[in-house]
Amino acid sequence: QKEVEQDPGPLSVPEGAIVSLNCTYSNSAFQYFMWYRQYSRKGPELLMYTYSSGNKEDGRFTAQVDKSSKYISLFIRDSQPSDSATYLCASRSAGSYQLTFGKGTKLSVIP
Amino acid sequence: KAGVTQTPRYLIKTRGQQVTLSCSPISGHRSVSWYQQTPGQGLQFLFEYFSETQRNKGNFPGRFSGRQFSNSRSEMNVSTLELGDSALYLCASQLRTASTNEKLFFGSGTQLSVL
Repeated sequence: QKEVEQDPGPLSVPEGAIVSLNCTYSNSAFQYFMWYRQYSRKGPELLMYTYSSGNKEDGRFTAQVDKSSKYISLFIRDSQPSDSATYLCASRSAGSYQLTFGKGTKLSVIP
Repeated sequence: KAGVTQTPRYLIKTRGQQVTLSCSPISGHRSVSWYQQTPGQGLQFLFEYFSETQRNKGNFPGRFSGRQFSNSRSEMNVSTLELGDSALYLCASQLRTASTNEKLFFGSGTQLSVL
């Protein structure tokens, strides 16, 4: 079992929809949680960064972490065609500089 | 502020050859990590260099090696290439201070194809 599991999709939604992307993790030592966005033929771009449990909002994006259930979520409101990309969740433990990634979910937002 | 720069962007090699990839981190960042990305396995950690020393290593064979120079630039080498080494190789940099709030920033990667 991988330490971070993510449904690869693909996920296709109409423009303006609310998108929910999810990951689960198994390592209880993970304390830092990230979402990266990766466009085709580009490197991952850091989108959201959270510590421990709770919510974090940045514009149309909201990241949620529930450590009790080991569940990580990213919500995208009012999705746009420019949001079409692969979204990767990642985690690391305190004192570690190594990230463990999910395999990524490919999202398409249809105009 | 310039981002993480990786060269070359694309490489085609044949089995048995070796390859060297280069990475220049964000100015001021002292740590460089390397990741391999494939459709089947996703992003997997190769190793991390800080102050010219390898600090962490992932579960890859010894054919994969790297080094870091005094200016924090890093190179990664793969010897005796195999078909399965075809992948996007990503370099990432971070400050690596005593702060726990470290963020990792990636370059655009080097796409390696082994024929």
